[in-house]
Amino acid sequence: GAVVSQHPSRVICKSGTSVKIECRSLDFQATTMFWYRQFPKQSLMLMATSNEGSKATYEQGVEKDKFLINHASLTLSTLTVTSAHPEDSSFYICSASDPTRSGKGEQFFGPGTRLTVL
Amino acid sequence: DAKTTQPPSMDCAEGRAANLPCNHSTISGNEYVYWYRQIHSQGPQYIIHGLKNNETNEMASLIITEDRKSSTLILPHATLRDTAVYYCIALYSGAGSYQLTFGKGTKLSVIP
Repeated sequence: GAVVSQHPSRVICKSGTSVKIECRSLDFQATTMFWYRQFPKQSLMLMATSNEGSKATYEQGVEKDKFLINHASLTLSTLTVTSAHPEDSSFYICSASDPTRSGKGEQFFGPGTRLTVL
Repeated sequence: DAKTTQPPSMDCAEGRAANLPCNHSTISGNEYVYWYRQIHSQGPQYIIHGLKNNETNEMASLIITEDRKSSTLILPHATLRDTAVYYCIALYSGAGSYQLTFGKGTKLSVIP
């Protein structure tokens, strides 16, 4: 199956700093990538949909100026958490899809990034 | 996309078949049923999907009732590594957005 990587896998930062998370599709081109957030003992919540070369579409309640998404190439999307605060501590997961090789609902997920803001 | 309902948890003995039910009584004719699972602290993993017919792959089988109002994911010989949260998702197959909406899923515990 297709492989999606995320970096870093774990990050601890001080309150007020910005953190960038990278999501890469390693063996396929992903025209669309998705960013999710998962709090402990809860399900995944979609934050935004990222299309290569265009602005991301954010879900209701997600601040676009706080969670900056860039999808500059077909294999890389980045999520930057700006001015992070303890309430932003969560498990961030990206996914990518390649409609040319699989059903449109088949998304390939990264391993996730655990963010802890002190 | 139609709402799906799953039991919050299930246990299964190692080596036995795990049958995970999903109710999607409001599903429309052009909505697929997708199954994903998430092992603790990892990203979700695609398992299988279907529209009307039963489907089987190397991981599992998907049985969809004739009226499509419910389905069952079958793991034929559960192992300890199958312990995970399993999500059943209804997804519109037409043009446009194909965002996955994750519910609470079923936490499957495979017991030695």
